[in-house]
Amino acid sequence: DIQMTQSPSSLSASVGDSVTITCRASQSINTHLTWYQQRPGKAPKLLIYLASTLQSGVPSRFRGGGAGTDFTLTVTNLQSEDFATYYCQQSFDTPYTFGQGTKVEVK
Amino acid sequence: EVQLLESGGGLVKPGGSLRLSCAASGFTFRSYSMNWVRQTPGKGLEWVSSISTSGSYKHYADSLRGRFSVSRDNAKNSLFLQMNDLRADDTAVYFCARDVNTWNDALGAFDIWGQGTVVTVSS
Repeated sequence: DIQMTQSPSSLSASVGDSVTITCRASQSINTHLTWYQQRPGKAPKLLIYLASTLQSGVPSRFRGGGAGTDFTLTVTNLQSEDFATYYCQQSFDTPYTFGQGTKVEVK
Repeated sequence: EVQLLESGGGLVKPGGSLRLSCAASGFTFRSYSMNWVRQTPGKGLEWVSSISTSGSYKHYADSLRGRFSVSRDNAKNSLFLQMNDLRADDTAVYFCARDVNTWNDALGAFDIWGQGTVVTVSS
């Protein structure tokens, strides 16, 4: 199975900050990398797929990048609704696997 | 409104069975591959299974193959997950989720999720 490792596991930030979350795959997954946002008690929300394609309706302050084994999710001008947990997921091969999550908290 | 609604969760004893359902509305169900994903506080998000548009192709997490079975009824816009020989570590919130792409171009990225149904396996 392909292992997905996110870092950091949590971070503290303020409204208006920029934050970057990293996701590393245990083998090359080309660009088959997806990012989700999850708020407490809610289902995950698709933000970015194919590493850098912004899902319809998602604000442009969310940006994904990377290929191969190393990927990033950057959120610029952090808004109050962005404080949540973020997960990466590979879809290069089944079983699809998720990172352990990164919680973005209010500083 | 595009929507997925899971049902069928509950409390079951170890070794028991449950059948989860997911009712789709607001989109052409037969055009999308569908998935089950579960979440626990300890293990996070875990992909469970996927099924192709026609139901011909099915994939499972290695640890679940043989105990879980996915199916769909395109005429009734419904997705199912039959879970047998349930164990304590199957306790989770189970989500159904739609692939972002249609037909044979499934990407394994999930754009529409249900609200989840809770499965608790305990004696």
